[in-house]
Amino acid sequence: EDQVTQSPEALRLQEGESSSLNCSYTVSGLRGLFWYRQDPGKGPEFLFTLYSAGEEKEKERLKATLTKKESFLHITAPKPEDSATYLCAVQARGSTLGRLYFGRGTQLTVWP
Amino acid sequence: GAVVSQHPSWVICKSGTSVKIECRSLDFQATTMFWYRQFPKQSLMLMATSNEGSKATYEQGVEKDKFLINHASLTLSTLTVTSAHPEDSSFYICSARDLGTKETQYFGPGTRLLVL
Repeated sequence: EDQVTQSPEALRLQEGESSSLNCSYTVSGLRGLFWYRQDPGKGPEFLFTLYSAGEEKEKERLKATLTKKESFLHITAPKPEDSATYLCAVQARGSTLGRLYFGRGTQLTVWP
Repeated sequence: GAVVSQHPSWVICKSGTSVKIECRSLDFQATTMFWYRQFPKQSLMLMATSNEGSKATYEQGVEKDKFLINHASLTLSTLTVTSAHPEDSSFYICSARDLGTKETQYFGPGTRLLVL
């Protein structure tokens, strides 16, 4: 069964304190791994897609990396506006309709 | 970037009435759209997959007759909650798959439904 596990469930950082969020996955052939950011009361906002082990992508203070079993979302020198829930999702290679399997998310709080 | 809209963003209705939620892909065509439900402080729960021109595929435990899905065009899918009850109150979010950007799913802003 395809599964996605995110850790930690919640993370509190002081502004400027870098850290990483983890997403471990079990899927029958990875087609793509997606990172989203979700603010309270809003839909998820697309951040990155990773397709193969060793791939990295960056956007401002965020950097996503991928191995064969997990992905990390590194946050460098975070600011309070980075506070949100970060969701990881995977798409299996055999999925013709593109269904995503989501983790429970990591709730990030960055305080000044 | 790809934009997905939902309408309405908020709806309050009486128990027993039906509510229609629209999901539109504004700047791309989406042969597949997805409908999710999200409870407070929980992750997204896939309800159904909507394909343009064909019947929707529902997840196990989701009542087809209660949550009617129509995907009439490449840019519009609708979810109708029929005979709504208070337990249907939730945050409903749609997403659309953009084949042009390696099948990335882009999400709408969500619709908050409150059934009294």
